[in-house]
Amino acid sequence: IQMTQSPSSLSASVGDRVTITCRASQSISSYLNWYQQKPGKVPKLLIFAASSLQGGVPSRFSGTGSGTDFTLTISNLQPEDFATYYCQESYTTPFTFGGGTKVEIK
Amino acid sequence: QVQLVESGGGVVQPGGSLRLSCVGSGFTFSNSGMHWVRQAPDKGLEWVAFIQYDGTDGSEKYYADSVKGRFTISRDNSKHTLYLQMNSLRAEDTAVYYCAKRSYYYGSGSANHPYTWFDPWGQGTLVTVSS
Repeated sequence: IQMTQSPSSLSASVGDRVTITCRASQSISSYLNWYQQKPGKVPKLLIFAASSLQGGVPSRFSGTGSGTDFTLTISNLQPEDFATYYCQESYTTPFTFGGGTKVEIK
Repeated sequence: QVQLVESGGGVVQPGGSLRLSCVGSGFTFSNSGMHWVRQAPDKGLEWVAFIQYDGTDGSEKYYADSVKGRFTISRDNSKHTLYLQMNSLRAEDTAVYYCAKRSYYYGSGSANHPYTWFDPWGQGTLVTVSS
């Protein structure tokens, strides 16, 4: 299964609404997770099963989608949200990650 | 709290071997499936291998095609430790290697196929393959 994220990078301002998309090469139902990684840090789980928010993650993060098309939305972007975001399919091995989306400060 | 601590990284020549370790604490290690995930410098994330919880010779193990036949995942539940034996190392194996716990839940309609994810992750250990 190939996972294609878009865009690969984006510039946004604090307070903006940001949407990142992830497309699977075949249907993966809701077996889709989202992670956030800051430079030099360990990836952090944000969303599992396409739309379930991990405990402790701010509610401005949300995930939608099923089948082949998924989105991660960050509403009201905060300074601490500037990072790289990865989608990952958990439908089957090799549990492929998307290529990442780097969210930068405009 | 749940914690994973990797060790064993370092510099190795092409063709060489290295064994990584990951010690888990704060959870029932023997009941948990475990993964290795790697990240090459300034690159994205790549799943490497998975081992199911019991760790016996017949336990489920899965590998990425890029490491199959060269890497071996194993575990010692008495020591709460996960291993990755890496042989025939190549320059393209240079990466930070993370261990991660398999977390999961059975949602409605997924009785035979749980939703799973990597959480938590260890801090990572750097493997550099270079002459």
